[in-house]
Amino acid sequence: AQSVTQLDSQVPVFEEAPVELRCNYSSSVSVYLFWYVQYPNQGLQLLLKYLSGSTLVKSINGFEAEFNKSQTSFHLRKPSVHISDTAEYFCAVSVTGFQKLVFGTGTRLLVSP
Amino acid sequence: DTGVSQDPRHKITKRGQNVTFRCDPISEHNRLYWYRQTLGQGPEFLTYFQNEAQLEKSRLLSDRFSAERPKGSFSTLEIQRTEQGDSAMYLCASSPGGGLGEKLFFGSGTQLSVL
Repeated sequence: AQSVTQLDSQVPVFEEAPVELRCNYSSSVSVYLFWYVQYPNQGLQLLLKYLSGSTLVKSINGFEAEFNKSQTSFHLRKPSVHISDTAEYFCAVSVTGFQKLVFGTGTRLLVSP
Repeated sequence: DTGVSQDPRHKITKRGQNVTFRCDPISEHNRLYWYRQTLGQGPEFLTYFQNEAQLEKSRLLSDRFSAERPKGSFSTLEIQRTEQGDSAMYLCASSPGGGLGEKLFFGSGTQLSVL
């Protein structure tokens, strides 16, 4: 069975500071990896995903994540955060590439001025 | 594209009562999913449909839970004889056709509170 660990339940940062949200997974087979974001009072939205190829994937709003097979990690980073990035971020894995996802417990990113 | 809609947004019920939730996916999306999220946890997969066929059910889905998707459009999730442990946010999502790694579109969820 697959599992996802997000060790940080909450990450407070100041605006324009860099941030890294950690995600580690456990699986005996190859996985596909996702980051979903949930803004206040909204549904979950896909932020970025890794299926194959380049291990560094990027979103349109400046986030990036790197798949590290040896460390079984898929950490999410942004060099400079905005107030509007305040949200809950969920890392998820799938072994089939289809959307039966196993989610982590989420990390709440709190960006303050 | 009006997004995935779920009804009701909130439901409060007494233990032992039956409840039913509705999900309207994005039009023409073939796949529909139900997830459950409890406080402090990530969403957990419950079941999914390809058109009207229910293709997989999680072991989390006890006999008291039933989901349907008649005609491959909207879906309902019914919980019979509710228990306090059923209190959670029930999330519905849809996707176009099941392609590898395709995006799930989530609704805002139905928050169930069992007293």
